[in-house]
Amino acid sequence: GAVVSQHPSRVICKSGTSVKIECRSLDFQATTMFWYRQFPKQSLMLMATSNEGSKATYEQGVEKDKFLINHASLTLSTLTVTSAHPEDSSFYICSASGTGGAFSLTGELFFGEGSRLTVL
Amino acid sequence: ELKVEQNPLFLSMQEGKNYTIYCNYSTTSDRLYWYRQDPGKSLESLFVLLSNGAVKQEGRLMASLDTKARLSTLHITAAVHDLSATYFCAVGYRIPWGGSEKLVFGKGTKLTVNP
Repeated sequence: GAVVSQHPSRVICKSGTSVKIECRSLDFQATTMFWYRQFPKQSLMLMATSNEGSKATYEQGVEKDKFLINHASLTLSTLTVTSAHPEDSSFYICSASGTGGAFSLTGELFFGEGSRLTVL
Repeated sequence: ELKVEQNPLFLSMQEGKNYTIYCNYSTTSDRLYWYRQDPGKSLESLFVLLSNGAVKQEGRLMASLDTKARLSTLHITAAVHDLSATYFCAVGYRIPWGGSEKLVFGKGTKLTVNP
C-alpha cells in the first residue's frame, strides 16, 4: 500500500503555545487529506478535509481558527493547533487519498502513524 | 447523517473460540472498511468490502458485507492472543468534489483474547 508519514509522533507542549503536525504522502500524490482526532478509548472523529491548494472543509463543531490546516502541495498537509490547551491533548491521525500508482482502488485511504499531543 | 454502530464494544474471549463483531450503518454507502488498532498506534487496514455479498478472509479473520441489511460482520475463528486489539469498522461515502470519500467510524470493539 501507499505510505503516509506523520511527524512528530509525540509532542509535549506548554499551554498557550502552537504546535504543528505534518502529514506527508511519500510515494504518491495526495489529492485529498483528512485529519482525525481520537481521544483515549474512543473512536476517530473527522476534523477536516482538505484538497491541495484550497481551503479545508471543517466538520461541524471544529474551530477553524483553532485548528489551522494547510495543504500546500500534493505531498504535504499540516495541522497547526494554535494556542493549545490541555483539552486539545489527543491523538491526531491524518489520512490521504490519491489516484493511480499504488492505489488499487480509486479513493482508497491510507493512514499516517498518528501524532500524540500532550498539552501541559 | 450517516451513523455507524458497532457491537459489542468490549469482547473478552478465550483462545481457540470463535466470535463475531457486528457493524450496522444507517444509509447507503459505497464501501465498508475494517481496521485494527493496537494501543498507541495508528490504524492498520484489514479489509475493504465493496459490494453486496462480498466476503474476504485473511488468516483467522473473515469479513462480510450485506448492503441490503446495511450490515457487516467480522468473524474471528479460533482466536489467538495476538488478535487482541481494537477493531473499527468504517463506512465510506463519496464527497462531491475530489473523488475521495469520507469515512465515518464505529466506536470500535476492544478485543481481548485470554490464554
